[in-house]
Amino acid sequence: KAGVTQTPRYLIKTRGQQVTLSCSPISGHRSVSWYQQTPGQGLQFLFEYFSETQRNKGNFPGRFSGRQFSNSRSEMNVSTLELGDSALYLCASSKGLAGSNTGELFFGEGSRLTVL
Amino acid sequence: AQSVTQPDIHITVSEGASLELRCNYSYGATPYLFWYVQSPGQGLQLLLKYFSGDTLVQGIKGFEAEFKRSQSSFNLRKPSVHWSDAAEYFCAVGAGSNDMRFGAGTRLTVKP
Repeated sequence: KAGVTQTPRYLIKTRGQQVTLSCSPISGHRSVSWYQQTPGQGLQFLFEYFSETQRNKGNFPGRFSGRQFSNSRSEMNVSTLELGDSALYLCASSKGLAGSNTGELFFGEGSRLTVL
Repeated sequence: AQSVTQPDIHITVSEGASLELRCNYSYGATPYLFWYVQSPGQGLQLLLKYFSGDTLVQGIKGFEAEFKRSQSSFNLRKPSVHWSDAAEYFCAVGAGSNDMRFGAGTRLTVKP
């Protein structure tokens, strides 16, 4: 059974640009959650999508957005990149809503974004 | 919303010694509790989870954790640490339809 796949694994952007990250969940999983991981802030919840609907959203500015497609694949977009957006972006999928008794998260290896 | 605290940022133990990583949560009802491990450059892997029932749960790689409602704790233990256990460990709490919240993590160093 294939795990969670994130692309690209590494990318470098400059300030002001935008970036789109992709996540393919485990087959049969309907929920995709996104997290930002930085040394200073740890794991910060961005948002969760379930059946193409955003169910929860963390405390991030509107520059951070996402969506989920009918096949449960998800993308997140960051516009007008800032230096502080440099981070490891982790995607996780689950059968049910994250944190529920069917919401055990399975993580991808992450997309490491560097903003110059 | 629920929250979780891992009091220890960094712990060093000798190989073969026992290990206990602390986790405290804040939530009004019984939460769903998880421990994850992250090796450098990797995503997070689930070690074990608690939903209900027996408060002592067994996980992969010889880890176990005990849920103590009175102390709002879910500490992770291993009787004998191996060098390959060096990694960062995250405690997480879920609360039904809310998102899963993670602690700040505890970095484990294993001395030979």
